[in-house]
Amino acid sequence: AQSVTQLDSQVPVFEEAPVELRCNYSSSVSVYLFWYVQYPNQGLQLLLKYLSGSTLVKGINGFEAEFNKSQTSFHLRKPSVHISDTAEYFCAVSLHSGGGADGLTFGKGTHLIIQP
Amino acid sequence: NAGVTQTPKFQVLKTGQSMTLQCAQDMNHEYMSWYRQDPGMGLRLIHYSVGAGITDQGEVPNGYNVSRSTTEDFPLRLLSAAPSQTSVYFCASSYEQGTEAFFGQGTRLTVV
Repeated sequence: AQSVTQLDSQVPVFEEAPVELRCNYSSSVSVYLFWYVQYPNQGLQLLLKYLSGSTLVKGINGFEAEFNKSQTSFHLRKPSVHISDTAEYFCAVSLHSGGGADGLTFGKGTHLIIQP
Repeated sequence: NAGVTQTPKFQVLKTGQSMTLQCAQDMNHEYMSWYRQDPGMGLRLIHYSVGAGITDQGEVPNGYNVSRSTTEDFPLRLLSAAPSQTSVYFCASSYEQGTEAFFGQGTRLTVV
């Protein structure tokens, strides 16, 4: 079975500073990788995904992530954060047999707090 | 295009009561699933469906039933509510394997 570890439960960052949210996964088979964002009292929205190809993937709102197979990591980055980026961020994996709603394994989430 | 619609948004139940959380999608997605979100636990898969008439268990299925009679609807039934089922429940759907999962706005359930 696969698992996801988000190493930081909370990350405080000053506005306009860069940020990295860390995600490591474990799986004995190839996986698809996702980052989702959850704003307060809302559902989850896809930020970006890695299915295959280039290991650097770009998403919405200026976020990007890099897949590192040797380190089994998929860290999320943004060069300059805005107050509106305050939210909960979830890393998720699925087996190559599914990447949609039939089986995502989520990390426990990282709360990104933007300080003015 | 409404996407994934969950009802109700909030619900309070007494221990032992039963209820159904509704989920409907209008995107003609084959794949649908239910997750529960608890503080510090992330989202955990309860049940999922790969098409009408086909369902399977996820990580935490005990105490919940599902059925999928149509492509559009995927209700989640709590048979006998327990305080441990107090949580936020999310329904999700996707067109096919490997594509984006679309989430509903969630149902906040409290069992007293």
